[in-house]
Amino acid sequence: EDQVTQSPEALRLQEGESSSLNCSYTVSGLRGLFWYRQDPGKGPEFLFTLYSAGEEKEKERLKATLTKKESFLHITAPKPEDSATYLCAALRGTSYGKLTFGQGTILTVHP
Amino acid sequence: EPEVTQTPSHQVTQMGQEVILRCVPISNHLYFYWYRQILGQKVEFLVSFYNNEISEKSEIFDDQFSVERPDGSNFTLKIRSTKLEDSAMYFCASQRSETQYFGPGTRLLVL
Repeated sequence: EDQVTQSPEALRLQEGESSSLNCSYTVSGLRGLFWYRQDPGKGPEFLFTLYSAGEEKEKERLKATLTKKESFLHITAPKPEDSATYLCAALRGTSYGKLTFGQGTILTVHP
Repeated sequence: EPEVTQTPSHQVTQMGQEVILRCVPISNHLYFYWYRQILGQKVEFLVSFYNNEISEKSEIFDDQFSVERPDGSNFTLKIRSTKLEDSAMYFCASQRSETQYFGPGTRLLVL
């Protein structure tokens, strides 16, 4: 069975304090690893797709990386508006689009 | 920028009643999905839909659930006889290429 586990469950940072979120996955024949941001009461908002080990994607203060077993979301000099739940999701190669989500990391950035 | 829209934003129903949740996917997308998120839990895949057929469904998606694309723009999820445990946030997503874009969700409360 496909599994995606995120850590930590919650992360509190001071504004400007860089850190990383982890996403470990056990998925047969990974076709893609996705990162989403979710604000309270809203739908997941797409951030990145990673397809192969060693790949990196960047957007503003966020950088996502992928290895054969895990993905990291690095947040550089975060701001309070980066506070949200960050979700990762894995897509199996044989699937018709079923994403398997982790439970998310709740990020709070204090000014 | 095109967005997935969902209606209603909130729905309260009595146990045993039928509900229909509606979604308007992004116009040139071809693949459609429903997910749900019970409060405090992971986002869970329900069903994928392509070319007017179900491509894949989860164990959650039993005979009480059905999906339909009644016209060129809407995509619906019907729950025939709601149960208390169906209370959740329901997200519609549409896809082009490998990326799924999510709507804002419908919060369903079954009393």
